[in-house]
Amino acid sequence: DGGITQSPKYLFRKEGQNVTLSCEQNLNHDAMYWYRQDPGQGLRLIYYSQIVNDFQKGDIAEGYSVSREKKESFPLTVTSAQKNPTAFYLCASRTGTGLFYEQYFGPGTRLTVT
Amino acid sequence: AQSVAQPEDQVNVAEGNPLTVKCTYSVSGNPYLFWYVQYPNRGLQFLLKYITGDNLVKGSYGFEAEFNKSQTSFHLKKPSALVSDSALYFCAVRQTGANNLFFGTGTRLTVIP
Repeated sequence: DGGITQSPKYLFRKEGQNVTLSCEQNLNHDAMYWYRQDPGQGLRLIYYSQIVNDFQKGDIAEGYSVSREKKESFPLTVTSAQKNPTAFYLCASRTGTGLFYEQYFGPGTRLTVT
Repeated sequence: AQSVAQPEDQVNVAEGNPLTVKCTYSVSGNPYLFWYVQYPNRGLQFLLKYITGDNLVKGSYGFEAEFNKSQTSFHLKKPSALVSDSALYFCAVRQTGANNLFFGTGTRLTVIP
């Protein structure tokens, strides 16, 4: 988990509220990713960013938004439009390309919406 | 399109016995293959990867994986399981030129004392 911090570790929100999950990295990596993890479904890609001020939708972007104003930071907002937001959210950053490609993960944030 | 299958949701093995966690993949071109481990309420930790070269890849904590191109498999193995190996294991694939990893659904390994 070193080098990537996610806060808070546990987050509780009422239905209908937007909530922002923090992800910060000090690894000087250009690329960052957000995944959602649900039991039995593995990791699914929400959004990713290759460079500052640029990001692309992943497989399940609906109901989520991101920004990438700084290289170190890639916050994820879970909006009220997300129909089933309760999940474990993982942030990752990537070093290298080609043979040297490797992703590093943060410790995760468990979001519970009631 | 790329895909990863981990056919077993759960693997149980006795401590000291060899363990295998299975993974098969489908990609266009040559695959880059990865294994990650996740302990409860934690992020994923990198174990090992196959890029090219020797089909047997050695990684962290005594784990290894064998790449088999004809069977499109990348099974994770360890000669002697420890109770501390109990965790959730993910196989992932990256297609040549792709920016992202595609993950399997995970296999929960339980090592019984």
